[in-house]
Amino acid sequence: ETGVTQSPTHLIKTRGQQVTLRCSSQSGHNTVSWYQQALGQGPQFIFQYYREEENGRGNFPPRFSGLQFPNYSSELNVNALELDDSALYLCASSLDRGKGELFFGEGSRLTVL
Amino acid sequence: RKEVEQDPGPFNVPEGATVAFNCTYSNSASQSFFWYRQDCRKEPKLLMSVYSSGNEDGRFTAQLNRASQYISLLIRDSKLSDSATYLCVVIFSGSARQLTFGSGTQLTVLP
Repeated sequence: ETGVTQSPTHLIKTRGQQVTLRCSSQSGHNTVSWYQQALGQGPQFIFQYYREEENGRGNFPPRFSGLQFPNYSSELNVNALELDDSALYLCASSLDRGKGELFFGEGSRLTVL
Repeated sequence: RKEVEQDPGPFNVPEGATVAFNCTYSNSASQSFFWYRQDCRKEPKLLMSVYSSGNEDGRFTAQLNRASQYISLLIRDSKLSDSATYLCVVIFSGSARQLTFGSGTQLTVLP
């Protein structure tokens, strides 16, 4: 296994609610990236955190926000959920802003009703 | 136009067959190239990096053509366990090393 753990594994929310997803990175990795994977599509980059600061962001609205903690674990928060936010949310940890291989967690599957 | 495009398939091939996947990317200022494998309802895992000179890992061969902005993956002697979705991935220059994925090509190897 990759050593990257995500929680929860599955959750169901309704439109307008807020959700927090969590990720524990592999030991020694200081960079966490979040990706959204809709059904039948490849993952799309949301943002990356390096040493507790955002280090790059994809084409996602501000209601997608994140945090990285001193132990390099991370949270993804999504406010005002929309039906299109239903997807698999993947966390990937790596060293030094993504140099070298990224290791993905198994993901959190979010369903918005 | 998507930045990374793949034939979605599905490809259904018999065991032992040779199968090839293609991928094109839109930005010539591209830095790194990879193939990832994703099993059903699991996370993507790195299959192999792709180098300009071409590279091989057992039954898998990857090729890169920078002039045509084209990447390929060849799988020889297909096994049942090769059934998965294969994702073409590009890191574009200056992109904070974010991975840009294609939509994936689904492969099913039949007994």
